[in-house]
Amino acid sequence: AQSVSQHNHHVILSEAASLELGCNYSYGGTVNLFWYVQYPGQHLQLLLKYFSGDPLVKGIKGFEAEFIKSKFSFNLRKPSVQWSDTAEYFCASRGSQGNLIFGKGTKLSVKP
Amino acid sequence: KAGVTQTPRYLIKTRGQQVTLSCSPISGHRSVSWYQQTPGQGLQFLFEYFSETQRNKGNFPGRFSGRQFSNSRSEMNVSTLELGDSALYLCASSARGRDSPLHFGNGTRLTVT
Repeated sequence: AQSVSQHNHHVILSEAASLELGCNYSYGGTVNLFWYVQYPGQHLQLLLKYFSGDPLVKGIKGFEAEFIKSKFSFNLRKPSVQWSDTAEYFCASRGSQGNLIFGKGTKLSVKP
Repeated sequence: KAGVTQTPRYLIKTRGQQVTLSCSPISGHRSVSWYQQTPGQGLQFLFEYFSETQRNKGNFPGRFSGRQFSNSRSEMNVSTLELGDSALYLCASSARGRDSPLHFGNGTRLTVT
Protein backbone atom coordinates (compact mmCIF):
# COMPACT_ATOMS: atom_id res chain seq x y z
CA ALA A 1 0.00 0.00 0.00
CA GLN A 2 1.16 3.51 -0.72
CA SER A 3 2.43 5.36 2.30
CA VAL A 4 4.09 8.50 3.56
CA SER A 5 6.52 8.28 6.47
CA GLN A 6 7.51 11.17 8.68
CA HIS A 7 10.63 10.43 10.65
CA ASN A 8 9.97 12.41 13.80
CA HIS A 9 6.90 12.37 15.99
CA HIS A 10 7.88 15.37 18.12
CA VAL A 11 10.70 17.87 17.62
CA ILE A 12 11.66 20.45 20.23
CA LEU A 13 13.86 23.38 19.21
CA SER A 14 14.91 26.71 20.60
CA GLU A 15 14.18 29.88 18.67
CA ALA A 16 16.68 30.60 15.87
CA ALA A 17 17.62 26.92 15.54
CA SER A 18 17.47 25.33 12.10
CA LEU A 19 14.74 22.88 11.26
CA GLU A 20 14.64 19.83 9.05
CA LEU A 21 11.66 17.47 9.07
CA GLY A 22 12.02 14.23 7.17
CA CYS A 23 9.43 12.77 4.81
CA ASN A 24 9.58 9.70 2.60
CA TYR A 25 6.85 8.58 0.19
CA SER A 26 6.36 5.25 -1.49
CA TYR A 27 4.38 5.97 -4.65
CA GLY A 28 6.55 5.83 -7.78
CA GLY A 29 4.15 7.36 -10.29
CA THR A 30 3.43 11.01 -11.02
CA VAL A 31 4.88 13.07 -8.19
CA ASN A 32 2.65 15.52 -6.36
CA LEU A 33 4.07 16.31 -2.92
CA PHE A 34 2.83 18.69 -0.24
CA TRP A 35 3.61 19.99 3.19
CA TYR A 36 0.71 21.20 5.31
CA VAL A 37 0.82 22.91 8.69
CA GLN A 38 -1.78 22.89 11.45
CA TYR A 39 -1.34 25.65 14.03
CA PRO A 40 -3.02 25.08 17.40
CA GLY A 41 -6.77 25.46 17.01
CA GLN A 42 -6.57 26.21 13.30
CA HIS A 43 -7.27 24.32 10.11
CA LEU A 44 -4.66 22.64 7.95
CA GLN A 45 -2.92 25.12 5.66
CA LEU A 46 -0.73 24.49 2.64
CA LEU A 47 2.92 25.41 3.21
CA LEU A 48 4.30 24.39 -0.16
CA LYS A 49 3.90 21.92 -2.98
CA TYR A 50 6.01 20.19 -5.59
CA PHE A 51 4.72 18.93 -8.91
CA SER A 52 7.74 19.22 -11.23
CA GLY A 53 10.71 21.42 -12.07
CA ASP A 54 13.22 22.84 -9.61
CA PRO A 55 13.49 20.26 -6.80
CA LEU A 56 14.03 23.02 -4.23
CA VAL A 57 10.62 24.49 -3.50
CA LYS A 58 10.02 27.65 -1.52
CA GLY A 59 6.84 28.07 0.46
CA ILE A 60 5.26 30.54 2.81
CA LYS A 61 6.79 31.84 6.07
CA GLY A 62 10.37 31.05 5.03
CA PHE A 63 9.88 27.31 4.63
CA GLU A 64 11.42 25.32 1.81
CA ALA A 65 11.54 21.66 0.83
CA GLU A 66 13.83 19.59 -1.31
CA PHE A 67 12.59 16.79 -3.54
CA ILE A 68 15.14 13.99 -3.95
CA LYS A 69 13.75 11.47 -6.43
CA SER A 70 16.39 8.80 -5.80
CA LYS A 71 15.60 8.80 -2.10
CA PHE A 72 11.82 9.20 -2.44
CA SER A 73 12.21 12.07 0.01
CA PHE A 74 10.69 15.52 0.41
CA ASN A 75 12.23 17.06 3.52
CA LEU A 76 11.01 20.36 4.95
CA ARG A 77 13.53 22.95 6.11
CA LYS A 78 13.66 26.36 7.72
CA PRO A 79 16.98 28.08 8.54
CA SER A 80 15.77 29.79 11.72
CA VAL A 81 12.55 28.87 13.54
CA GLN A 82 10.40 31.20 15.57
CA TRP A 83 8.08 30.53 18.49
CA SER A 84 5.17 31.11 16.10
CA ASP A 85 6.24 28.06 14.07
CA THR A 86 4.98 25.82 16.88
CA ALA A 87 2.50 23.58 15.08
CA GLU A 88 1.99 20.13 13.62
CA TYR A 89 3.45 19.52 10.17
CA PHE A 90 2.09 16.98 7.71
CA CYS A 91 3.74 15.66 4.58
CA ALA A 92 1.43 14.34 1.86
CA SER A 93 1.75 12.60 -1.47
CA ARG A 94 -0.89 12.16 -4.14
CA GLY A 95 -1.56 8.46 -4.57
CA SER A 96 -2.40 6.47 -7.66
CA GLN A 97 -6.13 6.97 -7.10
CA GLY A 98 -5.74 10.74 -6.91
CA ASN A 99 -6.34 11.23 -3.20
CA LEU A 100 -3.72 12.67 -0.87
CA ILE A 101 -1.94 10.24 1.43
CA PHE A 102 -0.73 11.92 4.61
CA GLY A 103 2.06 11.09 6.98
CA LYS A 104 1.18 10.89 10.67
CA GLY A 105 2.53 14.34 11.33
CA THR A 106 5.40 15.87 13.27
CA LYS A 107 4.71 18.12 16.23
CA LEU A 108 7.15 21.01 16.42
CA SER A 109 7.56 22.85 19.70
CA VAL A 110 9.72 25.97 19.62
CA LYS A 111 10.95 27.28 22.97
CA PRO A 112 11.20 31.07 23.24
CA LYS B 1 -13.26 34.43 -0.50
CA ALA B 2 -14.80 32.48 2.36
CA GLY B 3 -12.98 29.31 3.30
CA VAL B 4 -14.31 25.79 3.64
CA THR B 5 -17.12 25.72 6.19
CA GLN B 6 -17.99 22.63 8.17
CA THR B 7 -20.99 22.22 10.43
CA PRO B 8 -21.46 21.42 13.18
CA ARG B 9 -18.11 22.01 14.92
CA TYR B 10 -18.82 19.51 17.68
CA LEU B 11 -21.11 16.52 18.00
CA ILE B 12 -21.72 14.00 20.74
CA LYS B 13 -23.57 10.84 19.81
CA THR B 14 -24.12 7.44 21.36
CA ARG B 15 -23.25 4.07 19.90
CA GLY B 16 -25.72 2.84 17.31
CA GLN B 17 -26.91 6.29 16.29
CA GLN B 18 -26.24 7.87 12.95
CA VAL B 19 -24.79 11.28 12.15
CA THR B 20 -24.65 13.65 9.18
CA LEU B 21 -21.86 16.17 8.74
CA SER B 22 -21.97 19.06 6.31
CA CYS B 23 -19.33 20.83 4.24
CA SER B 24 -19.56 23.96 2.10
CA PRO B 25 -16.53 24.28 -0.20
CA ILE B 26 -14.82 27.44 -1.33
CA SER B 27 -16.91 29.15 -3.99
CA GLY B 28 -16.02 27.78 -7.41
CA HIS B 29 -14.41 24.61 -6.09
CA ARG B 30 -15.99 21.47 -7.53
CA SER B 31 -14.04 18.79 -5.70
CA VAL B 32 -14.70 17.89 -2.08
CA SER B 33 -12.74 15.31 -0.10
CA TRP B 34 -13.34 13.96 3.37
CA TYR B 35 -10.70 12.77 5.83
CA GLN B 36 -10.83 11.25 9.29
CA GLN B 37 -8.14 12.49 11.70
CA THR B 38 -7.27 10.56 14.85
CA PRO B 39 -4.17 10.73 17.09
CA GLY B 40 -3.21 7.15 16.31
CA GLN B 41 -3.89 6.93 12.58
CA GLY B 42 -3.37 10.52 11.46
CA LEU B 43 -5.37 11.64 8.44
CA GLN B 44 -7.11 8.87 6.56
CA PHE B 45 -8.94 9.40 3.29
CA LEU B 46 -12.65 8.67 3.28
CA PHE B 47 -13.91 9.73 -0.15
CA GLU B 48 -13.79 12.38 -2.85
CA TYR B 49 -16.63 13.88 -4.84
CA PHE B 50 -16.39 15.84 -8.05
CA SER B 51 -19.41 17.30 -9.82
CA GLU B 52 -21.81 15.21 -7.69
CA THR B 53 -20.02 11.92 -8.48
CA GLN B 54 -17.94 9.91 -6.06
CA ARG B 55 -14.57 9.76 -7.75
CA ASN B 56 -12.59 7.88 -5.15
CA LYS B 57 -13.16 5.99 -1.91
CA GLY B 58 -10.86 5.00 0.92
CA ASN B 59 -10.83 1.82 2.98
CA PHE B 60 -13.71 2.51 5.30
CA PRO B 61 -16.74 0.31 5.91
CA GLY B 62 -20.02 0.90 4.14
CA ARG B 63 -21.38 2.65 7.25
CA PHE B 64 -19.52 5.70 5.96
CA SER B 65 -21.19 7.33 3.00
CA GLY B 66 -21.34 10.70 1.37
CA ARG B 67 -22.89 12.76 -1.35
CA GLN B 68 -22.40 16.00 -3.17
CA PHE B 69 -25.09 18.39 -4.32
CA SER B 70 -25.29 20.45 -7.47
CA ASN B 71 -23.97 23.52 -5.63
CA SER B 72 -20.87 21.44 -4.64
CA ARG B 73 -21.88 21.30 -0.97
CA SER B 74 -21.24 17.87 0.48
CA GLU B 75 -22.50 15.75 3.33
CA MET B 76 -21.11 12.64 4.89
CA ASN B 77 -23.13 10.19 6.90
CA VAL B 78 -22.02 7.59 9.41
CA SER B 79 -24.59 5.01 10.42
CA THR B 80 -24.56 2.64 13.40
CA LEU B 81 -21.88 4.63 15.18
CA GLU B 82 -19.10 2.83 17.03
CA LEU B 83 -16.79 4.15 19.74
CA GLY B 84 -13.90 3.99 17.27
CA ASP B 85 -15.63 6.52 15.02
CA SER B 86 -14.73 9.26 17.48
CA ALA B 87 -12.47 11.56 15.49
CA LEU B 88 -12.05 14.91 13.82
CA TYR B 89 -13.67 14.77 10.38
CA LEU B 90 -12.10 17.13 7.90
CA CYS B 91 -13.50 18.34 4.65
CA ALA B 92 -11.30 19.80 1.94
CA SER B 93 -12.12 21.40 -1.36
CA SER B 94 -10.07 22.00 -4.46
CA ALA B 95 -10.66 23.74 -7.74
CA ARG B 96 -10.19 20.80 -10.07
CA GLY B 97 -9.20 17.91 -7.84
CA ARG B 98 -6.24 16.01 -9.14
CA ASP B 99 -3.74 18.79 -9.77
CA SER B 100 -4.93 21.34 -7.26
CA PRO B 101 -3.98 21.61 -3.59
CA LEU B 102 -6.61 20.93 -0.95
CA HIS B 103 -8.08 23.69 1.20
CA PHE B 104 -9.27 22.37 4.54
CA GLY B 105 -12.07 23.35 6.86
CA ASN B 106 -11.80 23.42 10.65
CA GLY B 107 -13.41 20.04 10.94
CA THR B 108 -16.24 18.48 12.93
CA ARG B 109 -15.21 16.86 16.21
CA LEU B 110 -17.37 13.75 16.69
CA THR B 111 -17.43 12.01 20.04
CA VAL B 112 -19.22 8.69 20.32
CA THR B 113 -20.10 7.53 23.83
